[in-house]
Amino acid sequence: SAVISQKPSRDICQRGTSLTIQCQVDSQVTMMFWYRQQPGQSLTLIATANQGSEATYESGFVIDKFPISRPNLTFSTLTVSNMSPEDSSIYLCSVGYGGGTEAFFGQGTRLTVV
Amino acid sequence: LAKTTQPISMDSYEGQEVNITCSHNNIATNDYITWYQQFPSQGPRFIIQGYKTKVTNEVASLFIPADRKSSTLSLPRVSLSDTAVYYCLVGSHGSGNTGKLIFGQGTTLQVKP
Repeated sequence: SAVISQKPSRDICQRGTSLTIQCQVDSQVTMMFWYRQQPGQSLTLIATANQGSEATYESGFVIDKFPISRPNLTFSTLTVSNMSPEDSSIYLCSVGYGGGTEAFFGQGTRLTVV
Repeated sequence: LAKTTQPISMDSYEGQEVNITCSHNNIATNDYITWYQQFPSQGPRFIIQGYKTKVTNEVASLFIPADRKSSTLSLPRVSLSDTAVYYCLVGSHGSGNTGKLIFGQGTTLQVKP
């Protein structure tokens, strides 16, 4: 299993600014992912955070808007850049061990852009 | 990744058994079926996973017919605390699995007193 801590848990930000979300795992994990969950919606995968290399983004998400860092096997950050009200969502960090086994999620960061 | 279809919402009463069915007509031979539960203001939590026939754990049972084109999550004697969104996912096991999860719309279960 894995215990995931996300910071901040929530924030209210001004449009045009950026917010960096941190994800800390209590053990080394191979795979880390970032998801977005818009109000009342399901989860959408933003990107896979690759350790030591650039993140792999899903269709519709770009590095300039959502830069991701993964400096080691227990930590990752997601930045939401140049925010607009449409970026108001819950952002979730997830970790997995590959092979189709159970994935674990953080509590999420509730972002409101005003 | 195989697409899944679930009812958008279901209502139940405390003490009843709840069955949530998921359709996955394009499931591949190597695919497993996994269910996650999400409470408000929390990330999804793994409930159960199976490949065929029946799987049971302390939380739920998962029934998978022989053709594997659908599956049913069964929650015995639900309580108010089982009110949540339930997601059915299909994906492969083994080295080919990248770990990415593709979530469908999920089923919002409302348990009433």
